[in-house]
Amino acid sequence: DQQVKQNSPSLSVQEGRISILNCDYTNSMFDYFLWYKKYPAEGPTFLISISSIKDKNEDGRFTVFLNKSAKHLSLHIVPSQPGDSAVYFCAANWDTGFQKLVFGTGTRLLVSP
Amino acid sequence: NAGVTQTPKFQVLKTGQSMTLQCAQDMNHNSMYWYRQDPGMGLRLIYYSASEGTTDKGEVPNGYNVSRLNKREFSLRLESAAPSQTSVYFCASSEGYGRGSNQPQHFGDGTRLSIL
Repeated sequence: DQQVKQNSPSLSVQEGRISILNCDYTNSMFDYFLWYKKYPAEGPTFLISISSIKDKNEDGRFTVFLNKSAKHLSLHIVPSQPGDSAVYFCAANWDTGFQKLVFGTGTRLLVSP
Repeated sequence: NAGVTQTPKFQVLKTGQSMTLQCAQDMNHNSMYWYRQDPGMGLRLIYYSASEGTTDKGEVPNGYNVSRLNKREFSLRLESAAPSQTSVYFCASSEGYGRGSNQPQHFGDGTRLSIL
């Protein structure tokens, strides 16, 4: 049972345009969400996070939106750059006193010049 | 700035062989984790160590054992490797745990393990 779902395996965007990556979850107990970026042959690197008490968090070109009623979050990248081409993982956690992340299957983003 | 270091980077084993994957972090983090990543799937937690001296099972612990050697090092052992354990293994660390602690995890670059 996949508790965190990224239904789009891939996304292609032109440089300068907006990239929108989506993530859905089923467990209403999740209260903290993170996005990681992964380049080939490297480990995931933390990108941005959001707590369930917020509906938006921004960090430079990256913004994460959370819609708790729909159990949906999205990552917006504006403007997209070729260096953003990577696999993006959504992850979720609930406060059990310890961080045990549940990851989605990832979305491969390709930003073309 | 090493962060999380995993060794080896690649390994090929025969079915039934044993192997220990090594992980060390230099960020003075309390918590450490082992994940596996398979094609078409997200990272799945194998074992974790909330703090030095403690270890607990994650989502997919069968066939693995772990040792938290000290605060820096957390190893993963395959006692009798099986083809189903062919995967990319990632080690991660984070500052701590406890209510309200959501510090992001930092990952190593992975060990690519093939079992024939």
